[in-house]
Amino acid sequence: EVQLVESGGGLVKPGGSLRLSCAASGFTFSSYSMNWVRQAPGKGLEWVSSISSSSSYIYYADSVKGRFTISRDNAKNSLYLQMNSLRAEDTAVYYCAREGAVAGDFDYWGQGTLVTVSS
Amino acid sequence: SYVLTQPPSVSVAPGKTARITCGGNNIGSKSVHWYQQKPGQAPVLVIYYDSDRPSGIPERFSGSNSGNTATLTISRVEAGDEADYYCQVWDSSSDHNAVFGGGTQLTVL
Repeated sequence: EVQLVESGGGLVKPGGSLRLSCAASGFTFSSYSMNWVRQAPGKGLEWVSSISSSSSYIYYADSVKGRFTISRDNAKNSLYLQMNSLRAEDTAVYYCAREGAVAGDFDYWGQGTLVTVSS
Repeated sequence: SYVLTQPPSVSVAPGKTARITCGGNNIGSKSVHWYQQKPGQAPVLVIYYDSDRPSGIPERFSGSNSGNTATLTISRVEAGDEADYYCQVWDSSSDHNAVFGGGTQLTVL
């Protein structure tokens, strides 16, 4: 059974940093691209970043470019999101999502971790 | 950047057919994926590649995509289908970004 479990969320002050983790199991992690998608309270889904299976290709939404860094450790079956210079508008539930091997869909999602940026 | 437009809400009576649209410039040339999200839960993929259903998704869910509009159709709607629905594509015109529609809240009357 595919499982994605996020951790690392919490309350942080504006300008602060936070590192999210996503532990994957039930599939060959090193074969799949992975993504972070966020959802602000009461709002829709917003794609944040993606990383290819071997970390060769990395992409970011304009809203986080230069502040967030996605990475992965295939030996540990883990995905990460380093978030720096956090702003109030970064407050959201952050989901990690597996990218389907062929279609580019997000076929499995974690339960999400809440990041709150507030003074 | 590429924009996907969905109606904020759609209402349908039980047993009837719900159609949720997703508009985008020449979206018919892209692969569209649909997600269902119930309150307090993570999204669930219900349609990929415009019209394919993942295992475990009822046949009542179907999709189509042509021209400037993609459509998610839910036949014989049940109370349990009440949820937010999002369409998604990849936009390679500017870097390689995933784009979501704003979401449609489906209400079962």
